[in-house]
Formats: sequence, C-alpha cells, structure tokens
Amino acid sequence: SQTIHQWPATLVQPVGSPLSLECTVEGTSNPNLYWYRQAAGRGLQLLFYSVGIGQISSEVPQNLSASRPQDRQFILSSKKLLLSDSGFYLCAWVDRAATEAFFGQGTRLTVV
Amino acid sequence: DQQVKQNSPSLSVQEGRISILNCDYTNSMFDYFLWYKKYPAEGPTFLISISSIKDKNEDGRFTVFLNKSAKHLSLHIVPSQPGDSAVYFCAAILPYTGNQFYFGTGTSLTVIP
Repeated sequence: SQTIHQWPATLVQPVGSPLSLECTVEGTSNPNLYWYRQAAGRGLQLLFYSVGIGQISSEVPQNLSASRPQDRQFILSSKKLLLSDSGFYLCAWVDRAATEAFFGQGTRLTVV
Repeated sequence: DQQVKQNSPSLSVQEGRISILNCDYTNSMFDYFLWYKKYPAEGPTFLISISSIKDKNEDGRFTVFLNKSAKHLSLHIVPSQPGDSAVYFCAAILPYTGNQFYFGTGTSLTVIP
C-alpha cells in the first residue's frame, strides 16, 4: 500500500536560519507531489506542486523553495526563515490515476 | 485568490443532530470535489468525494451535495457524533493541471455531547 513519510514532526528554528523539510512516498511511482501550509486560523495554502523529477510549480511567491531530486522525494527549503513562515506544513501526493490526495502527518514549524 | 471558500470558520452542533458544512467555489472548471477531516497536529484524511457529473453522494452518515449552478457544495453529517469534532476542508480539483487541489479555509466542527 502507498504511504507518505514526512519529517521532522516538530521544528523550532530561529529567524534567519535555513530550513529543510523532507517528504517521501512509498508504494507508488510518478506521483504528483504537493507542499501545503496551514497557518494558525487559516486554511490549507498550496505552496508548491510537482508532476515529475525536477519539475516544480510555485503557487505563492515567498522565501521558500521546493525541489524534487527523486521521483518519490519532495523537499521544502528556505535559506533564511522569517517569523511569518511559522505554521503547519503538509506534504501530499496524488496518484495520477486517482482523484484523492493523501497527506503526511505534517511538520509544525515555529520560527522564533 | 481563494477559489474555494468556506465562509463559516466554526460550527457547533448537538450530538445526534445534523451538521451541515458549506463550501463555495468560483472556478466552473473544477470537476471533482472532496471533503477532508483534520484533527490537530495531524494530516487531513479523506472523507467523501463527488464528481461534477453528480449532485449527491452518500457514504454512511456522510452525504455531499453539489449544486453546480450555484457553485456550492455541502457536507451533511447525520447523526453528528462527538468524534466528528474536527476541522473540515472542502477541496476542488482542476483537471489537466497535474490534478491541482484547491482547499477551502476550513470549518471547525464541535459536536456537543
């Protein structure tokens, strides 16, 4: 069966520090991968999505970036975190034959 | 630009009664709609979906209604249970764009015992 792993679960980082969140998918190939952010009291905001290795589409201009070095690996990064980057980050995948998104457990990022 | 909107940030319902969660969208190109349930500090989990060619889909206590002319969908939970207390997100899919999901802002449902 397909599973999605996301880590770390919790992260506290100082302002100006770098960020790297990793997401991997098992049990499927060539998935569409997504990074979402849920800020406090707000909905799910699509940050990036990828339809294949090296293919990244950005939905929201910001100081975050994403990369897809392997078919089932999706990484969210930042060179310098801002306080406003605090939130709950979710990785998701969608099988190309399906119409359902599966989410990782999320990473709670607190920038201090 | 929020293409999927949930105008009620919170809803409280007595146990056993019906919970109705609403969702509006602006893009008529959306062809598939889903509802997700989310507990704190967890990823959302799929609840129920509906294709744009249908106007109703039922799964146990959960029913989703779609009104394409009004660009409106709703989730009915009958009867509501305390374990249904969670944040509910509606989502819409835009075809031919890598299956992009557009999520609403969420409605926090509290079922009072």
